[in-house]
Amino acid sequence: AQTVTQSQPEMSVQEAETVTLSCTYDTSESNYYLFWYKQPPSRQMILVIRQEAYKQQNATENRFSVNFQKAAKSFSLKISDSQLGDTAMYFCAFMGTGAGSYQLTFGKGTKLSVIP
Amino acid sequence: DVKVTQSSRYLVKRTGEKVFLECVQDMDHENMFWYRQDPGLGLRLIYFSYDVKMKEKGDIPEGYSVSREKKERFSLILESASTNQTSMYLCASSRQGNSYNEQFFGPGTRLTVL
Repeated sequence: AQTVTQSQPEMSVQEAETVTLSCTYDTSESNYYLFWYKQPPSRQMILVIRQEAYKQQNATENRFSVNFQKAAKSFSLKISDSQLGDTAMYFCAFMGTGAGSYQLTFGKGTKLSVIP
Repeated sequence: DVKVTQSSRYLVKRTGEKVFLECVQDMDHENMFWYRQDPGLGLRLIYFSYDVKMKEKGDIPEGYSVSREKKERFSLILESASTNQTSMYLCASSRQGNSYNEQFFGPGTRLTVL
């Protein structure tokens, strides 16, 4: 079974600064997908960014980028120019590509606070 | 705009009651999921469905059942609610296939069992 570990339960960052959220995972699969989801306070969870394991290039979405290290099984999220609206719970998630692989395995989350 | 809706944002029930949580998606997605979210534990999969009338157990199915009679609707049932089922329940849906299979989430139902 896959496991996803987020070692930072809470983090804070000053507005306009850069912050990196850590995520490691364990799997025996060679191809898979990785995701970062954001859950703002009292609001719906939304997808921030995703990465396919066979793509070596790190994914980027505006101010959000990932550092994907396949050999180390690490998938960190970097938020540049942090904004107050980035305050949220962030969940790292894994999805395999085998038969019936519809399930996401989530980490326990990192609560990020952006301080004015 | 994609949409997953859940019947209630907040729900308070008594121990032993039968509880229905409803989820509806308008994206014609084949897959639907029920998760439970607890502080410090992240999201844990209760059940998922990949087609009408089809269901698969997730990681924590005990004490729950599900029903999917129509493609757009997925119900979570607590046959006899207990206090340890007090939690946030999230529904999600996704398309089948070999793509990213992004899951779209509903707003959640915060259930309190007294």
